[in-house]
Amino acid sequence: AQKITQTQPGMFVQEKEAVTLDCTYDTSDQSYGLFWYKQPSSGEMIFLIYQGSYDEQNATEGRYSLNFQKARKSANLVISASQLGDSAMYFCAMREFNYGQNFVFGPGTRLSVLP
Amino acid sequence: NAGVTQTPKFQVLKTGQSMTLQCAQDMNHNSMYWYRQDPGMGLRLIYYSASEGTTDKGEVPNGYNVSRLNKREFSLRLESAAPSQTSVYFCASRTGFPGELFFGEGSRLTVL
Repeated sequence: AQKITQTQPGMFVQEKEAVTLDCTYDTSDQSYGLFWYKQPSSGEMIFLIYQGSYDEQNATEGRYSLNFQKARKSANLVISASQLGDSAMYFCAMREFNYGQNFVFGPGTRLSVLP
Repeated sequence: NAGVTQTPKFQVLKTGQSMTLQCAQDMNHNSMYWYRQDPGMGLRLIYYSASEGTTDKGEVPNGYNVSRLNKREFSLRLESAAPSQTSVYFCASRTGFPGELFFGEGSRLTVL
């Protein structure tokens, strides 16, 4: 069964510094996708970045990058040059492409950016 | 662009009452989902629909029913609400491959 683990319930980072949010996953499917979502205090879910299991390069989207280590089954989100607006909950999620439609989410990490 | 629209945004029910959460998307997506979000547990899948006319159970389907009325609309029904169903409910739809989810704004349900 697919599973997502986020071991950091909360993180603090100083404004303008980089921060890494951890995500490990478990799957028996060889073809899968990993997704990161941001949930600000207003409650909406915002898609940030995607990494496919067969992608050879780490995904990047602006200040977001994904440190993908397939052998270790980890897909850590790196936010560079943190901004106050980055304070939010961050969820890692996975979809197995061969085993159905489900997206599985981790429990989330609450990031607080300090001025 | 409306995207994914959920109604109502807030609802208070008494134990045993029934209600339906409505969801509609205007992005022509085939797949639609209902999740619930509880503190410390992330989002858990209740039901999903891969296409019009099909629905499948997710991780926590007990106490819920769904209807995929057409390609646009996917409703979630609580037949006899229980306090354990107090939660924030999210509807989402999905693009094709790789298929990120697009979420509605959420519906906060309290069952007394």
